[in-house]
Amino acid sequence: DAGITQSPRHKVTETGTPVTLRCHQTENHRYMYWYRQDPGHGLRLIHYSYGVKDTDKGEVSDGYSVSRSKTEDFLLTLESATSSQTSVYFCAISARKEHQPQHFGDGTRLSIL
Amino acid sequence: QKEVEQNSGPLSVPEGAIASLNCTYSDRGSQSFFWYRQYSGKSPELIMFIYSNGDKEDGRFTAQLNKASQYVSLLIRDSQPSDSATYLCAVLNRDDKIIFGKGTRLHILP
Repeated sequence: DAGITQSPRHKVTETGTPVTLRCHQTENHRYMYWYRQDPGHGLRLIHYSYGVKDTDKGEVSDGYSVSRSKTEDFLLTLESATSSQTSVYFCAISARKEHQPQHFGDGTRLSIL
Repeated sequence: QKEVEQNSGPLSVPEGAIASLNCTYSDRGSQSFFWYRQYSGKSPELIMFIYSNGDKEDGRFTAQLNKASQYVSLLIRDSQPSDSATYLCAVLNRDDKIIFGKGTRLHILP
């Protein structure tokens, strides 16, 4: 299995609080992605990174920010969580090419009350 | 809106038969096509990718692409109960954006 670790795996928090999700990889892959998966919507790209300090927005980036200060770590931050951000969040990595996620992490189930 | 459409299912197939999963896409300029398998409560797993018209085989899996009809399919031969999962079709469009379909639930009947 590809070395991708997401933390935390589960989190429950309140509306208006900041939340940071962490994705850590040991594969030294260049590309990293954050997706959310919701019933009826499938997987949607939030943000992605194509190198250290190089990030770009996906299709549902509003309310989210990311940072990548090291190759192995990609952080997703919800500055002020809302109930609409309740979802399962997946990190993915790719060595091959931009926009082609090869391996996914186990996911973070986030509930905003 | 560039879309990827899949029948949500469930698609029920007897064990040992061929399962056929279909996907259509709206952006004629799409470049690359992917199939992911996702077991319930687990993360997606890339199982096939195809770039050119025609068939691509990998073990019991065959991906078929017809760009003229904007259609990509996944065939699973000799279906096993372990193939029961949701299969996600994904398309890399001309804007270099990957769009996922909502997935088809496949149920292999023992």
